[in-house]
Amino acid sequence: KAGVTQTPRYLIKTRGQQVTLSCSPISGHRSVSWYQQTPGQGLQFLFEYFSETQRNKGNFPGRFSGRQFSNSRSEMNVSTLELGDSALYLCASSSARTTGTEAFFGQGTRLTVV
Amino acid sequence: GQQLNQSPQSMFIQEGEDVSMNCTSSSIFNTWLWYKQDPGEGPVLLIALYKAGELTSNGRLTAQFGITRKDSFLNISASIPSDVGIYFCAGQRWGTSYGKLTFGQGTILTVHP
Repeated sequence: KAGVTQTPRYLIKTRGQQVTLSCSPISGHRSVSWYQQTPGQGLQFLFEYFSETQRNKGNFPGRFSGRQFSNSRSEMNVSTLELGDSALYLCASSSARTTGTEAFFGQGTRLTVV
Repeated sequence: GQQLNQSPQSMFIQEGEDVSMNCTSSSIFNTWLWYKQDPGEGPVLLIALYKAGELTSNGRLTAQFGITRKDSFLNISASIPSDVGIYFCAGQRWGTSYGKLTFGQGTILTVHP
């Protein structure tokens, strides 16, 4: 069974640009969550999607958005990039309709904003 | 926001030694998960705990879900060089916390051959 696939692995963008990251969950998993990981703040929850609906959202500005498609693949978008958006962006997939089940992470997308 | 306090922050041990790390919280969590992350990679799930008091093993790893639901620990026995990495605890609350894991700050483990 294939794991969680994130593309691209690495990105370099200029301040003010926008970026779209992609995540393909484990086959059969319908829940996809996104996290931002930085040395200073650690792993922070961005949002979660289940069956194309956002069910939960963390404390990030509106520049961070996401969506999920009918095949459960998810994208997150960051508009008007800032230097502080440089981070490892991780997505996690879960089979759960409810909370409290295992989450499996992809390898992440390393975003560098210059 | 919700915080998990993970300790120690780092450990330097000799190959063959046992390792113990733990996480505590001021609030209850219903699920505890332990992950290992290598540099530049995503976290890999090691152990999942779902019931207070539960003790679960995965090879040389053993983890327990605290009875108060506010803590968890992870033990690694007979460490080997490939155990090197960052270990994270994560908690989840039932109800409307869909997809949201709250993470500890991580424990950096170094194993000397």
